[in-house]
This record gives sequence, structure tokens and C-alpha cells, in this order.
Amino acid sequence: EPEVTQTPSHQVTQMGQEVILRCVPISNHLYFYWYRQILGQKVEFLVSFYNNEISEKSEIFDDQFSVERPDGSNFTLKIRSTKLEDSAMYFCASRPGRWGHTEAFFGQGTRLTVV
Amino acid sequence: AQTVTQSQPEMSVQEAETVTLSCTYDTSESDYYLFWYKQPPSRQMILVIRQEAYKQQNATENRFSVNFQKAAKSFSLKISDSQLGDAAMYFCAYRSSGDTDKLIFGTGTRLQVFP
Repeated sequence: EPEVTQTPSHQVTQMGQEVILRCVPISNHLYFYWYRQILGQKVEFLVSFYNNEISEKSEIFDDQFSVERPDGSNFTLKIRSTKLEDSAMYFCASRPGRWGHTEAFFGQGTRLTVV
Repeated sequence: AQTVTQSQPEMSVQEAETVTLSCTYDTSESDYYLFWYKQPPSRQMILVIRQEAYKQQNATENRFSVNFQKAAKSFSLKISDSQLGDAAMYFCAYRSSGDTDKLIFGTGTRLQVFP
């Protein structure tokens, strides 16, 4: 069964460093998302991406964040200068189409620890 | 703005028994989608069941069923014949059928299953 794959599973980085979280969405999917979950809290939407453009972003997704689909298969989330409060689980998700009842398929997540 | 509320931080059930997890939401929209996601200790988000608001019939997936009360804006999940593998965090989520396709999650309910 096709699945969304995220790498790495766990990333530890020093405050102020740049990190890139990687995702390989399901191959025929067109809509891509990043969500994050701070430990013990709810899952929060960060950004949605379609046709090589951001289609929506949340207040959390400030100038420190960027997304890219560099090669038609990977979907990346970059945090330019990490802060302690960026420590969280980051989930990538994809959907085949935008409308209708097609659900989002989530990856297994990347745990980011900023020290 | 839409909100999702899960008022039960923790629930417990004995193996083979039935448990119901509560979810309420607030929206001014008439058409939308509701989901229950399961997050086991591995932290991956797994879709359990979905409900389209325009459908009056409650969705069912094997041992999982929902009680969707549109007027009351309530969307509870019933797990029948609970199994040890059902132990997880359960998140209720809302998705608009309008311009935005992001998922809005509740705070989650941790379900423990006792043998």
C-alpha cells in the first residue's frame, strides 16, 4: 500500500541552525501539507501546497519557514533558524485531490528536538 | 473560525467492551467533513473513520462507528469489542468543503485498554 514517507525520524539540532525535514508524498497525490504537534498538544496546521505554490499557511508559518518541492517527488519543510519552541513532531500529509471526501494520508512524522 | 473540542482527555475500557469518545465542533458551514484519527505510541496519524456532513447515515468501519448529530454539532466515536491494539491517542478533526482544506484537530483523547 502506498504511504507517505518522512526522513529523518528524529533530528536533533542546535538553536539557530537550519533544518530541512523531508517528505515523499504518495506518487499520484497533488496536495501536500505540513502539520506540527508540540509534545502533549494538538496537531496544528502549518501550510498547504499545490502546483508548486503555497495555497494556505497558518500564523505559525512565519518567515522562518519555507516549503519546496524540488524534484517532483520530495516535499521539504525548511526552518531557517531554529528556536527552542520549534521542538515538535512534524507531520507531512498528502491528498490525491482537493475536493470531495478524499482524506489526507499522513507520514510517520519527524521528531525535531532543538537544544 | 471552526473549532473542535474533545472534552475527555483520557478514557479507559476493558478488552472486549465498548467505549465512546466524544467530539463537538463549531462551524457556520453546512457542508464539511469530519474525521477520527488514531495516533498510537509510534506517533503516526492513522485515519480511523470519516463522515461527510451531507450524509445522514452514520459511518461505520468494522468495529468503529460514529454518532453524527449535525444539529448538535456532535461527532462521537464508538469502538466496539475493544482490543489492546486500540490503545492510542484519538483525534477528532474537521475539514471545510470550502476554500480551505486544512484539517482542524481537537486536543485528543488518550484511550487505555485494560486486559
